Order: sequence, then C-alpha cells, then structure tokens
Amino acid sequence: EEQLVESGGGLVQPGGSLRLSCAASGFTFSTYWMHWVRQAPGKGLVWVSRIKSDGSSISYADSVKGRFTISRDNAKNTLYVQMNSLRAEDTAVYYCAAEKYYYDSSGYLVSAFDIWGQGTMVTVSS
Amino acid sequence: DIQMTQSPSSLSASVGDRVTITCRTSQSISSYLNWYQQKPGKAPKLLIYVASSLESGVPSRFSGSGSGTDFTLTISSLQPEDFATYYCQQSYSIPRTFGQGTKVEIK
Repeated sequence: EEQLVESGGGLVQPGGSLRLSCAASGFTFSTYWMHWVRQAPGKGLVWVSRIKSDGSSISYADSVKGRFTISRDNAKNTLYVQMNSLRAEDTAVYYCAAEKYYYDSSGYLVSAFDIWGQGTMVTVSS
Repeated sequence: DIQMTQSPSSLSASVGDRVTITCRTSQSISSYLNWYQQKPGKAPKLLIYVASSLESGVPSRFSGSGSGTDFTLTISSLQPEDFATYYCQQSYSIPRTFGQGTKVEIK
C-alpha cells in the first residue's frame, strides 16, 4: 500500500523552530517530486514547497521563503521540512504529498498529487 | 501566481441530486487542472486529473470537463459519502495553487 506518514508537529512559540518528517512506503519514493501543503484551521489548502525527485530543484511559497527549508533523503525514503522563525500564521495541519506525472491523450506530461499523508498539526502560540 | 476561483463556496443538495462545481483560473492553464475531495479530519483525495481523467477507484458518477480557464466538476447522482469539500488545483506552474473549496452539505 502506498503510504506517507508525517511526524514532528506540535506546539511551538513564535520565533521558534520545528522539523517535520514524512516517511514514504509502498512506492518508489526516489522517483517522485514531493510537496508540502498546509491547511490552517477551518481554511483551504495552501501549497508550501516542492522538491524534485533527486533534490536538485526546490521551490517555496513566498510566505515561507527564507524561513522554511525542504529536503529529502532517498536512502531513507523520507521528506523533511525545517521551519524556522515560526509565526502565528504558520499554524496549520501540514501534509506531505507525492506528485505523480502522467501522459495525457495528447502526449503531454501532466501531474497531480496522488498520494497524501494524514497530516501533522503545527501550532505556533505563546 | 495563478488565481483559482471556485463557485459556489458552499451548496446544499439532496441524495440523488446532480451537483456542479465550477473553477475559473486567472490565466489559461490548458487542461492542467485537478480535483480533490476532502472529508473532515482527513487528507485530500485525488478524484480527477488533467481536467477530465478519472483517478483509479473513483466512482464514475464523478466527471470533469473544461480547458483554458473554465472547468467543471460534476457529480451525476449525489451519494451520502459525497458530502465533503471539493478543491480544484492547477498543475500548470509553480506555485501550485488551489481553489478556496466548495463545501457540499446535506439539504
């Protein structure tokens, strides 16, 4: 069974740091682009960051650029995000998601998040 | 960034109803549009990818259509397990962006 399991969430004070992990199993982790997506309480889904299958390309949302660092260890089948200088507005459930690529009927490469973790809650509060 | 606008934000419907949710993007994204279903306390689940392709295991009452800037998710006959929040998402560019969600509630 394809599975992603996040861990590392918790309560942290403003300005603090936290590292989230996402352990993958049941699929070839090293071939997938991986993402972090977050969801504030009662709100919608917001994309946070992306890392290429081999770690050679990384992107961030403007809201976390310079504060969050995404990384991966393909030998351990694990995705990470180091979150520094945390703010109240970073409070959310953090999901990791695997982006699968498909060829559409015209032969173009398209993608979607087809595997999601269960999420881990991060609360930033004093 | 590509802005995603879903409508309606919420709707009330009865079991057996036909339900349509629309998603409009701020620029053309060809067919790089996906739909997800999320139930309370659960992770999102992929329903439709590349605008109209049904993900494996998803019931055929779900369908998607559209291209360019206007897209539609249709549930042909609403079932009790379909009451949830639905999100569109573009995979055309980074940052990946989601619609604000459409909550489908029981009438």
